[in-house]
Amino acid sequence: QVQLQESGPGLVRPSETLSLTCTVSGGSISNHYWRWVRRPPGKRLEWIGYIQYSGSTNYNPSLKSRVTLSIDTSKNQFSLKLSSVTAADTAVYYCARDFPGTSALDIWGQGTMVTVSS
Amino acid sequence: EIVLTQSPDTLSLSPGERATLSCRASQSVSSTYLAWYQQRPGQAPRLLIYGASSRATGIPDRFSGSGSGTDFTLTISRLEPEDFAVYYCQQYGSSPVTFGPGTKVDIK
Repeated sequence: QVQLQESGPGLVRPSETLSLTCTVSGGSISNHYWRWVRRPPGKRLEWIGYIQYSGSTNYNPSLKSRVTLSIDTSKNQFSLKLSSVTAADTAVYYCARDFPGTSALDIWGQGTMVTVSS
Repeated sequence: EIVLTQSPDTLSLSPGERATLSCRASQSVSSTYLAWYQQRPGQAPRLLIYGASSRATGIPDRFSGSGSGTDFTLTISRLEPEDFAVYYCQQYGSSPVTFGPGTKVDIK
């Protein structure tokens, strides 16, 4: 059974770069699309971007200038970097997998809370 | 981007009752690329329905989805105790993918 686990700092200073990694266990990272989604407090879920196992990416236009996704198939991991963070980037960050053939998300990590504060 | 609205905000029902949740899109969702998720407190979202009406693996048949265009519905035929949760819709027919604000189903 495929499982996802986010890891990374829970506190990031304003103007710095938020970095998170998602580890895929119980299955291969190959042949799938992988996404990052976040939920700021009191707001709705927001799609950040996706990366394909080949490394191709697509980002939410609202975040595109600050987001970089990468993938390491040898470690079965993919990662998120969000630069120049502000308090508005405080959120629970989830990694998730596309249900094959769709962009519905069939497997999710538990989520990790990231607070942007000095 | 396509904005999704859900109604009602909260639905108060008793176990065994039928729940009907609505999701409305600001523009037509192409090819019924609409999904529904359930989220219980402290847990990740769980995919229930994709393609507007197809149940995901392992989802009980008391959950059903319908609709097309801009109006979609999630129906829970008979509420079980574990069904009291928040439900979200998501459209993935147009980039960026967007989510609704959620409907909370709580115990009356």
